[in-house]
Amino acid sequence: EAGVVQSPRYKIIEKKQPVAFWCNPISGHNTLYWYRQNLGQGPELLIRYENEEAVDDSQLPKDRFSAERLKGVDSTLKIQPAELGDSAVYLCASSLEPLPLQEETQYFGPGTRLLVL
Amino acid sequence: SQQGEEDPQALSIQEGENATMNCSYKTSINNLQWYRQNSGRGLVHLILIRSNEREKHSGRLRVTLDTSKKSSSLLITASRAADTASYFCATDEETSGSRLTFGEGTQLTVNP
Repeated sequence: EAGVVQSPRYKIIEKKQPVAFWCNPISGHNTLYWYRQNLGQGPELLIRYENEEAVDDSQLPKDRFSAERLKGVDSTLKIQPAELGDSAVYLCASSLEPLPLQEETQYFGPGTRLLVL
Repeated sequence: SQQGEEDPQALSIQEGENATMNCSYKTSINNLQWYRQNSGRGLVHLILIRSNEREKHSGRLRVTLDTSKKSSSLLITASRAADTASYFCATDEETSGSRLTFGEGTQLTVNP
């Protein structure tokens, strides 16, 4: 079974430029998460989807970040315009059901490492 | 914001020794999970312990949970060089609405 797929793996851009990350969750997983992980820290949730609905986006900086999950499968996270402080690893994860209904674990992709210059 | 705080921040041991990492959290939880992250890779789930459980085992892993002290520990027995990684605890808070909150992690180095 394929895991969570993310692309690109690495991205270097100049500040004020737009950038987009793509995620393909594990087949059949209804719940999809985007996290941001700064160097030396744990991941922080940006947004959680149940199918195509964003059910928790309270920690998404909505002035520059946006996300979508069309048809409830793949998802895209966008930053426009990027700032120096956005340099981080962006992780996508998926699970069958949200916590705590089945106490499902989350399966993480390898992440996209973003460097903003 | 980070819910869990891991202790120590870094740990270096010799192969074959046991490694113990601790996690403290602030609010009531449904469950607590431990994840491992190798350099440059995504997180891998290790073990989940529910709030009504006190101890759980999985292979060389032993997790304890003390809800009265709001703390958990992860013990890795007979460590191997391949156990070198960052270890994170993550809590599913009762009031978070299915949000996992991660700590800052413990960097474990197992020397061959």
